[in-house]
Amino acid sequence: DAGITQSPRYKITETGRQVTLMCHQTWSHSYMFWYRQDLGHGLRLIYYSAAADITDKGEVPDGYVVSRSKTENFPLTLESATRSQTSVYFCASSESTTSDRRYNEQFFGPGTRLTVL
Amino acid sequence: GQSLEQPSEVTAVEGAIVQINCTYQTSGFYGLSWYQQHDGGAPTFLSYNALDGLEETGRFSSFLSRSDSYGYLLLQELQMKDSASYFCAVRGRDTGRRALTFGSGTRLQVQP
Repeated sequence: DAGITQSPRYKITETGRQVTLMCHQTWSHSYMFWYRQDLGHGLRLIYYSAAADITDKGEVPDGYVVSRSKTENFPLTLESATRSQTSVYFCASSESTTSDRRYNEQFFGPGTRLTVL
Repeated sequence: GQSLEQPSEVTAVEGAIVQINCTYQTSGFYGLSWYQQHDGGAPTFLSYNALDGLEETGRFSSFLSRSDSYGYLLLQELQMKDSASYFCAVRGRDTGRRALTFGSGTRLQVQP
């Protein structure tokens, strides 16, 4: 029962390079999310997806690209990394349900700590 | 847009009760949630309120007043392991009613 996993857990890259962060969930949850967490800002939504091939922008989407060809995977790509994208990135998922409480419960992966030099 | 305010830090002693407040502004409102995050860890879901009143889950309770755009998380019988950051989050119309907007978090330090 792996749940939700992210890879890599740590990544150091250079300005201008393309980086892809992977997210995989085994629950067949419909909804998946990408957040970044920076000191003093809490968690900010980058992109989210309601189902395979359906994605939408969040609060801070600039500089990021997502895709979702399969329900279980939701990769996040930084097309040309910048120092301001140094952050901890969390992927999350939630199920599509009529239960209000479960509708609001998101399950988070362990995070990827990305450093852009 | 949506915004949430919560205190940045709270300190309490083991065995005590602590309340973490959260005020929010959102266009449309579909519920207030609370998450816990230990240092170096991932956020985990604690509670959810859609209607006014108190929801109790063991030592943790969460309260909502929609008319005041206000909620709080109440932690009773504090334990050292409760030292963590606590985030309130709302679902609103701005993020398609499904995605959450999080507050900046309240760091709780439990002292012996």
